[in-house]
Amino acid sequence: NAGVTQTPKFQVLKTGQSMTLQCAQDMNHNSMYWYRQDPGMGLRLIYYSASEGTTDKGEVPNGYNVSRLNKREFSLRLESAAPSQTSVYFCASGLAGVVEQYFGPGTRLTVT
Amino acid sequence: EDQVTQSPEALRLQEGESSSLNCSYTVSGLRGLFWYRQDPGKGPEFLFTLYSAGEEKEKERLKATLTKKESFLHITAPKPEDSATYLCAVHSNYQLIWGAGTKLIIKP
Repeated sequence: NAGVTQTPKFQVLKTGQSMTLQCAQDMNHNSMYWYRQDPGMGLRLIYYSASEGTTDKGEVPNGYNVSRLNKREFSLRLESAAPSQTSVYFCASGLAGVVEQYFGPGTRLTVT
Repeated sequence: EDQVTQSPEALRLQEGESSSLNCSYTVSGLRGLFWYRQDPGKGPEFLFTLYSAGEEKEKERLKATLTKKESFLHITAPKPEDSATYLCAVHSNYQLIWGAGTKLIIKP
């Protein structure tokens, strides 16, 4: 099992550009999550999907959109990137409800 | 407001020198407290879940304990491979609220 995979691993964007971060899990988990991690701060939830077909906003959703494509895949889109979105982005998955979550390796995004 | 605070921010120990990391929290109704380990350039890796005061969990040189206001991660006789950032999170309103982490460095 690959667990949770994310692409790309690194990305540099210019202000105003758009991009989609991809995430897939092969553990048959119902729930999937997108977080961002900034220095000196805890992980912050951007969006989550409790099950296929549903998505909900987390703590910091502004500037992002998500799509739960199927049970395996959950993508995060930045429509118009801003320097404030420079961060490391993690995708995670877990069984239904808030139990332990399993994380991907992360995408390091820089917006100039 | 739900909040999780970890201390210290960083901790340097000699190999074999035992110590503890702290995670204090204020949430309305704890439904679970989670400990994770994060190595540089990688995603967090799940370690423990604690649900009620008095509960303890152990894994190799790590032991997690829980009270009504805080959790401790005790590290006994650590080795250099225990060096990592340790993250604490609490379950609140169907989401996890995360602390900023403690960076642990074990010198040989």
